Amino acid sequence: EVQLVESGGGLVKPGGSLRLSCAASGFTFTSAWMTWVRQAPGRGLEWVGRVKSNTDGGTKDYAAPVKGRFTISRDDSKNMVYLQMDSLKNEDTAIYYCTTRIRIPDVWGKGTTVTVSS
Amino acid sequence: SYELTQPPSVSVSPGQTARITCSGDALPKEYAYWYQKKPGQAPVLVIYEDTERPSGIPERFSGSSSGTTFTLTISGVQAEDEADYYCESTDSSGTYVVFGGGTKLTVL
Repeated sequence: EVQLVESGGGLVKPGGSLRLSCAASGFTFTSAWMTWVRQAPGRGLEWVGRVKSNTDGGTKDYAAPVKGRFTISRDDSKNMVYLQMDSLKNEDTAIYYCTTRIRIPDVWGKGTTVTVSS
Repeated sequence: SYELTQPPSVSVSPGQTARITCSGDALPKEYAYWYQKKPGQAPVLVIYEDTERPSGIPERFSGSSSGTTFTLTISGVQAEDEADYYCESTDSSGTYVVFGGGTKLTVL
């Protein structure tokens, strides 16, 4: 079964850090470009960033609001992708989804909730 | 930064046709994708590469494009189609992905 499972969400204070994980199964992870998307309460979907497959250079790209604060990494030996979030702000509060378009229809996890609040 | 523009809301009666537009300067060059998003659920891809429909998506969902505007059409709208719809594409460099602001489809 093709599956993505996010974990690591929780409550963190402004300025704090959190690392989200996404476990992939059921597809060739090494070929997949992995993306993080978020949805803040009452807001729309927002692209956070993406890491390409290592065979495609492993390039990482980030949306402007998170560039310099968030870091995406992947471990192909474990079929895992991570989102390291530093210097968190209240506006980073959202459900964070891991997704890949390795196939059509694309694959999404159920999401993990991050709340940034003092 | 690159933006995709959608109307905030569209309302139709059951059985009617709903059309949701998405405008962006890079759309003639870059593909557009459409997602259906319901509360508490992950997004569901309903149209990809401008006009293609994934397996399992009802035939009443279709996509079209004209110039810098892409349109999601839902023919014979059903109550279960009530949801938020988002278009997604890439800027002209092909690097940065962006979502439209979303359109709330209300089935009257």
